Amino acid sequence: EDKVVQSPLSLVVHEGDTVTLNCSYEVTNFRSLLWYKQEKKAPTFLFMLTSSGIEKKSGRLSSILDKKELFSILNITATQTGDSAIYLCAVANRDDKIIFGKGTRLHILP
Amino acid sequence: KAGVTQTPRYLIKTRGQQVTLSCSPISGHRSVSWYQQTPGQGLQFLFEYFSETQRNKGNFPGRFSGRQFSNSRSEMNVSTLELGDSALYLCASRASEYYEQYFGPGTRLTVT
Repeated sequence: EDKVVQSPLSLVVHEGDTVTLNCSYEVTNFRSLLWYKQEKKAPTFLFMLTSSGIEKKSGRLSSILDKKELFSILNITATQTGDSAIYLCAVANRDDKIIFGKGTRLHILP
Repeated sequence: KAGVTQTPRYLIKTRGQQVTLSCSPISGHRSVSWYQQTPGQGLQFLFEYFSETQRNKGNFPGRFSGRQFSNSRSEMNVSTLELGDSALYLCASRASEYYEQYFGPGTRLTVT
């Protein structure tokens, strides 16, 4: 069965710290990996990664995919209290089915 | 473009009742997926509809059903509600050729 595992499940850091969130997966015929940020309600799209080794960046957030080792990381540098959220990783398989991990709950202390 | 909309936003039902939730996707998006989110289980996939056909289905009992209309709007129905159905139900739409989904604000269902 296809699965996506995120770690850690929960993380508390101080403002200004750098954090690394992990996502590993086992899926049938991988197509794409996606990262979302969920604050109070709806998840919002951050990145989509399809090719191994190519970093995607947006401001202080960056992500990279390793298709050989079947994982991705999401880095957030110089964290701010507004980065507090649940970060979700999802993988699309050959049937275009999108499987989500349980998320990492990140809390930034001022 | 207007985002994904869901109605109602909040709903309280009693055990044994049924409920219908509605989702209007972003204009031009033909794929609509439904998810159940609970604190313990995270985001769990219910089903995906594309051009009025169910394309994928998660591991939920037959009490959970859905449909999609010709204008891509989708409805989800849960019959014989159980306490464990209390959750946030999220709908997401995407353009058929992309995997990135856009989520609606969700419907918070409470079953008492």
